[in-house]
Amino acid sequence: QVQLVQSGAEVKKPGASVKVSCQASGYTFTAYYIHWVRQAPGHGLEWMGWINPNSGVTNYAQKFQGRVTMTRDTSISTAYMDLNRLSSDDTAVYYCARDLHLLWSYFDSWGQGTLVTVSS
Amino acid sequence: DIQMTQSPSSLSASVGDRLTITCRASQNISSFLNWYQQKPGKAPNLLIYAASNLQSGVPSRFSGSGSGTDFTLTISSLQPEDFATYYCQQSYSTPYSFGQGTKVEIK
Repeated sequence: QVQLVQSGAEVKKPGASVKVSCQASGYTFTAYYIHWVRQAPGHGLEWMGWINPNSGVTNYAQKFQGRVTMTRDTSISTAYMDLNRLSSDDTAVYYCARDLHLLWSYFDSWGQGTLVTVSS
Repeated sequence: DIQMTQSPSSLSASVGDRLTITCRASQNISSFLNWYQQKPGKAPNLLIYAASNLQSGVPSRFSGSGSGTDFTLTISSLQPEDFATYYCQQSYSTPYSFGQGTKVEIK
């Protein structure tokens, strides 16, 4: 069955960086885009960007431009989201989700989420 | 950027009730509208894509309608497992924005 398994919780200090991984199984990794979405405690969902695992092309939300880098390693079917210059506002659960990205774009399978806590 | 506004932000309902949640886009997004359900501590789950298409495995009591700027999610007969938060999301253009969510609670 389709699974996206994310790396474990992280605690970081302000100004540091965090790298979250998302390992896919049960489908052809390069056939689906991977999106990253975050959710601050008690808040709604915020789209951060996507990566096309086939080409490596990325599309980031303007809000995160210059701070986020999305990469992938096709040999191990894993996508990564790197966020730097962390502040307390980046404390959130980070999700990866897959998207076939043909005519319609929608997220039909999600990772379990990775809690990133930024605290001094 | 496209803003998505859901209403209401929360509601109380009983098992068996018919429920409608509304989502409005700040500009025409055709049918590029998805609905997700999220339960506490869990990842969102896709219910409806392209405004009215039921995702595989989702019960038929869920339905979606609308196009352009106004959309609705309807639950025909609320079940105990449906108490959750619901989000709409536009995929017309990036950034793919979400509504603020509608929390459905037990009356």
